[in-house]
Amino acid sequence: GAVVSQHPSRVICKSGTSVKIECRSLDFQATTMFWYRQFPKKSLMLMATSNEGSKATYEQGVEKDKFLINHASLTLSTLTVTSAHPEDSSFYICSARGRRVRGTGSPEQFFGPGTRLTVL
Amino acid sequence: SQQGEEDPQALSIQEGENATMNCSYKTSINNLQWYRQNSGRGLVHLILIRSNEREKHSGRLRVTLDTSKKSSSLLITASRAADTASYFCATDVNDYKLSFGAGTTVTVRA
Repeated sequence: GAVVSQHPSRVICKSGTSVKIECRSLDFQATTMFWYRQFPKKSLMLMATSNEGSKATYEQGVEKDKFLINHASLTLSTLTVTSAHPEDSSFYICSARGRRVRGTGSPEQFFGPGTRLTVL
Repeated sequence: SQQGEEDPQALSIQEGENATMNCSYKTSINNLQWYRQNSGRGLVHLILIRSNEREKHSGRLRVTLDTSKKSSSLLITASRAADTASYFCATDVNDYKLSFGAGTTVTVRA
């Protein structure tokens, strides 16, 4: 399957700092990227959907000024956690989806390996 | 919001046994997907079953879908220690977003 990378895999930062997480599709053009958050032993919660060249669509309850998403190219999306606090500590996972081909249904999403954020 | 609910939450089996887990959902779907997640890692796509399909196989995996009951099952046959992971179902509701279930944690004992 297609490969999606995330960087960094793990980050520890002080409260009040901003952290940027990158999500890259390595071998396909990702027209849509998704950002999820996962708490320990819990399911993935969709935070936002971003389409290349347009503003991200945030899920209800997700602060767009807190979690800045940029999808500047067909292979890169970034999530910036601004003024991070301990409650932002979590596992952040991105996924990427290619262009939909008519008649084949929704294309498969490919997930990155995740980024563990710890805010002290 | 989450649509899928999985059952059981946790499952412990002996190597070689079969593992079955179930997923129920609430609204109509385009397709349902199963993913595996090893501890602290990303998700690996296992299998996708479309709403007009009833059963699908992939290696040791067998997935069923009953749209009348809004439920799906994942069967792993002849389990191995490497199958130890969390398994999630995800429904594709409006053709672009996935809604994940709570997951089933499977432990395969050697």
